Amino acid sequence: QSALTQPASVSGSPGQSITISCTGTSSDVGSYNLVSWYQQHPGKAPKLMIYEVSKRPSGVSNRFSGSKSGNTASLTISGLQAEDEADYYCCSYAGSSTFVFGTGTKVTVL
Amino acid sequence: QVQLQESGPGLVKPSETLSLTCAVSGYSISSGYYWGWIRQPPGKGLEWIGSIYHSGSTYYNPSLKSRVTISVDTSKNQFSLKLSSVTAADTAVYYCARLLGDCYDYWGQGTLVTVSS
Repeated sequence: QSALTQPASVSGSPGQSITISCTGTSSDVGSYNLVSWYQQHPGKAPKLMIYEVSKRPSGVSNRFSGSKSGNTASLTISGLQAEDEADYYCCSYAGSSTFVFGTGTKVTVL
Repeated sequence: QVQLQESGPGLVKPSETLSLTCAVSGYSISSGYYWGWIRQPPGKGLEWIGSIYHSGSTYYNPSLKSRVTISVDTSKNQFSLKLSSVTAADTAVYYCARLLGDCYDYWGQGTLVTVSS
């Protein structure tokens, strides 16, 4: 069970859109539409942003959207804002009631 | 509002057993859902440790399975983590969280456990 692969960092200017990829295998991301995304600010607990690939919990801005193609899931942040600067982690169901997290991506707002 | 709070020693000696408890308020564990532990070494990413159902069914990260035990105490509305034979590599912030389907929707604030003599 290896960690899902994410880019170490992604940056964008305010108002722009950025996309974070999350690459797994046919045993996790590719087999299930059960990918979630978390936002984590320094010193804070992760916050759920997306679940079941593309669903947003109540209260999460519609600037956040998720998708999946094959073994790769993606998180897109549109209309980038300063408050979006944080670390982002994907998480996938990996079968047999187990889960695997991504390596994490640091988003910088220029 | 569901709230989770981790507690336990902040310092554990190498080769000993790390023990943490997660107290849940605002929701009765015996009503359902899975409950899990996730950890994050300083400056590193999240690692899934394992989950437990209110009935006691457990599921562990294969890489930690030989050392991990998660248990639940519905009478106290809490669940616990034990990690044996710890080394410096087990130094991390440990989070407890509620598993809702495929995601963790409520998280504790996290507790730092340092493994050092």
